[in-house]
Amino acid sequence: AQKITQTQPGMFVQEKEAVTLDCTYDTSDPSYGLFWYKQPSSGEMIFLIYQGSYDQQNATEGRYSLNFQKARKSANLVISASQLGDSAMYFCAMRESYGNNRLAFGKGNQVVVIP
Amino acid sequence: SAVISQKPSRDICQRGTSLTIQCQVDSQVTMMFWYRQQPGQSLTLIATANQGSEATYESGFVIDKFPISRPNLTFSTLTVSNMSPEDSSIYLCSADPGQGRYGYTFGSGTRLTVV
Repeated sequence: AQKITQTQPGMFVQEKEAVTLDCTYDTSDPSYGLFWYKQPSSGEMIFLIYQGSYDQQNATEGRYSLNFQKARKSANLVISASQLGDSAMYFCAMRESYGNNRLAFGKGNQVVVIP
Repeated sequence: SAVISQKPSRDICQRGTSLTIQCQVDSQVTMMFWYRQQPGQSLTLIATANQGSEATYESGFVIDKFPISRPNLTFSTLTVSNMSPEDSSIYLCSADPGQGRYGYTFGSGTRLTVV
């Protein structure tokens, strides 16, 4: 069964606007971590933000924030004030406390920022 | 966080040959992971490599096809054996720096084309 679901089609975003990328997850583990990564066309994986299952507050890192809704098993990424350099694939990933600490990735969201 | 040097960055190989990909981490890490990313797809975990023990392979991946070495806490190799065009992918190594919240570090990837 798929653990991480990202179903949005490719998105075009106007520069300086905010964009929300959806991610839902499935786990029975009470202790887990959620990650968002950015992959530009160069192929590197860039870590953006982390949310732990026990964190009381939503994570924020600069222009990135995570809208964590635990009961809905949702961890949406919000990018504020989009920049042209934000054009990339964005992957949501989860680590469960069992399972050898490996990350399970969603299929990704393609974002294109237009001027 | 840890920095991973991965090489080669890209290669074009003849079918039936093998390619060994190397990842060097600038600090000691317990776990390293190898992923395959087929064109336009998400990351799929091939195996988890711990120092001093056999790698743990995910369903659909076998040691004969993807032998892995982990001779110490800073280095790992993945070999893609007896290659076919279906092996054309990006291969990425990753390390768990053990810091939980700071994200897993990834190598820059190896773009493999099999002709």
